[in-house]
Amino acid sequence: AQSVTQLGSHVSVSEGALVLLRCNYSSSVPPYLFWYVQYPNQGLQLLLKYTSAATLVKGINGFEAEFKKSETSFHLTKPSAHMSDAAEYFCAVSAPNSGGSNYKLTFGKGTLLTVNP
Amino acid sequence: DTAVSQTPKYLVTQMGNDKSIKCEQNLGHDTMYWYKQDSKKFLKIMFSYNNKELIINETVPNRFSPKSPDKAHLNLHINSLELGDSAVYFCASSTRDRSADTQYFGPGTRLTVL
Repeated sequence: AQSVTQLGSHVSVSEGALVLLRCNYSSSVPPYLFWYVQYPNQGLQLLLKYTSAATLVKGINGFEAEFKKSETSFHLTKPSAHMSDAAEYFCAVSAPNSGGSNYKLTFGKGTLLTVNP
Repeated sequence: DTAVSQTPKYLVTQMGNDKSIKCEQNLGHDTMYWYKQDSKKFLKIMFSYNNKELIINETVPNRFSPKSPDKAHLNLHINSLELGDSAVYFCASSTRDRSADTQYFGPGTRLTVL
């Protein structure tokens, strides 16, 4: 069975500072990994995904994440935070459901990013 | 040109009532999903359908009954609502039921059971 752990339920940074949101995964098969963002009172929007091509994945809004198999990690970074980045961020792993023929997304518990002026 | 839409956006009802939430996607996707997000923002899959066929049912109480009249629509009917059903329910869709496929989410339906 797969699982995702997001370290830190709340991360606070200053505008212009580095953003680092941590995600570790557990999967019995090679994983596909996703980062989604949820702005207040909205649905989830894909930031980026890892599908076994390049280990460094670039996404929208200047975010990127690096897949590190040895560390079972997929941390999300952005060099310079903007006020508009304030949102809830979810890491997710996609792997086969029991039975092996269907896939489902398993989400972490989310990290709330606040950006201070 | 909304990709995944849900109605209603807000739903307030009494315990014991029956209610439905509707979802439509205009992306031409084959697979649709229902997720529940609780008050702590934890997201968990409830159901998924591929071409109108139920493929995932995540031990959800049988008071919850999904229905897919065609592959662009996936509705969720809830009988005998309980306080613990209060949550935000998200519909999503993807091209196919494959591990690398991106899921596109609707705006959510906030259900409050009094």
